[in-house]
This record gives sequence, C-alpha cells and structure tokens, in this order.
Amino acid sequence: DQQVKQNSPSLSVQEGRISILNCDYTNSMFDYFLWYKKYPAEGPTFLISISSIKDKNEDGRFTVFLNKSAKHLSLHIVPSQPGDSAVYFCAATADGTASKLTFGTGTRLQVTL
Amino acid sequence: KAGVTQTPRYLIKTRGQQVTLSCSPISGHRSVSWYQQTPGQGLQFLFEYFSETQRNKGNFPGRFSGRQFSNSRSEMNVSTLELGDSALYLCASSLWVGEQFFGPGTRLTVL
Repeated sequence: DQQVKQNSPSLSVQEGRISILNCDYTNSMFDYFLWYKKYPAEGPTFLISISSIKDKNEDGRFTVFLNKSAKHLSLHIVPSQPGDSAVYFCAATADGTASKLTFGTGTRLQVTL
Repeated sequence: KAGVTQTPRYLIKTRGQQVTLSCSPISGHRSVSWYQQTPGQGLQFLFEYFSETQRNKGNFPGRFSGRQFSNSRSEMNVSTLELGDSALYLCASSLWVGEQFFGPGTRLTVL
C-alpha cells in the first residue's frame, strides 16, 4: 500500500527552465510534507518542507505547493541547474514532528545543458 | 557542525548471522530514526528513538531491533539475516521538531 506516490520515475529538463516534480498521497492524516534530494552513495538531503496549514512555501529557487483537497504536492525548481540532477523524494508524516516519514519512490531529475 | 555518521559503511554477512550498525547523530539532536532502502520498496521507516526510548516503530519483523544510548548514539541490530535484508540502512537525526538529517548509510549485503 503505497501511501505516497511519485508517478514519474524520471524527468529531464534544460538548464534555466523550470523543473516540476509531483507527489500524490492517500493518507488524509498526513499533516507535514518534506522534499529530499539524494545523490548516489549519499544519504538524502533535506530541501524544503510544508505544513498542512499552508499551501505554499518558498526557499530560494525551491517552492513547494500543497493542494490538500487533491492530496497533491509539487516541488518547483526555478531556474534549474545541472547540480540539481539527483533523485528527489517526497515524504510525509502524520504526527507533526517529522519523526516517522513515509517516502515516495523518488523521481530522478536530470538537468541538461 | 559534524553531520550524521554511520559505521561501518559497507558490510557483507551470510544468511543466519546477525549484524549491528551504528549511528552517531548531529550534536544536540535527540531523535534518531532508522530507514531501510531497497530498489523494490524504496525508503521504509524502521523505528525512531528519542531520549533512549523507542517512540515510533515501522512494520518490520522483530528480528530488527535498536537502542539509543544516553549520548544519543544509536545502534540497530538485525538477527538471523535473510537475503532480503540486503539494503542500504540509513540513519537520520533531528531536533525535537524539524527535518531529519541523514547519514551516508550502511550498505549491507547478505550472501
């Protein structure tokens, strides 16, 4: 039972353009959402998070949007840079403390020159 | 500030053996969580320790156990290893509330 889904296993975007990574969830108890980036042979690195009381959160080039009615969140990266090439995971938690994360399966982003 | 460290980085064991993995959290972080990453199942939550007590537990069999020491360092143990336990085991630490910071992981191979 995959409660957090990332339906696009891969995405290719040109440098300078916008990257949009999507994530859907089924558990209505989730109240805190996070995005992580992962390079090979490294652990995931936290990017940005959003609480269910908000619908948007920005941090530099990264913006996360949350649509609770659709149980959908997205990560926008503008502008995309070659160093953004990595696997991106969305994660969710139901206890508000981000201590027990349920991860999606990841989307591999490749930013081309 | 030093990041989360995990030892060993790589481990090869045979079926039926047991293994202990270690995690040192970021200084000041009291919560330590463990995750298993496999190609088929992705990242799955094992358990979380806070102030030496298990606070949350995932859906893994009792062969998977853990503990946390007074200095917040944590160990996880897998007994009676099975081939399917081959995975990357990730440890993450966090403050009371906030995002988790992951270590580089321990790659366990069970032969």
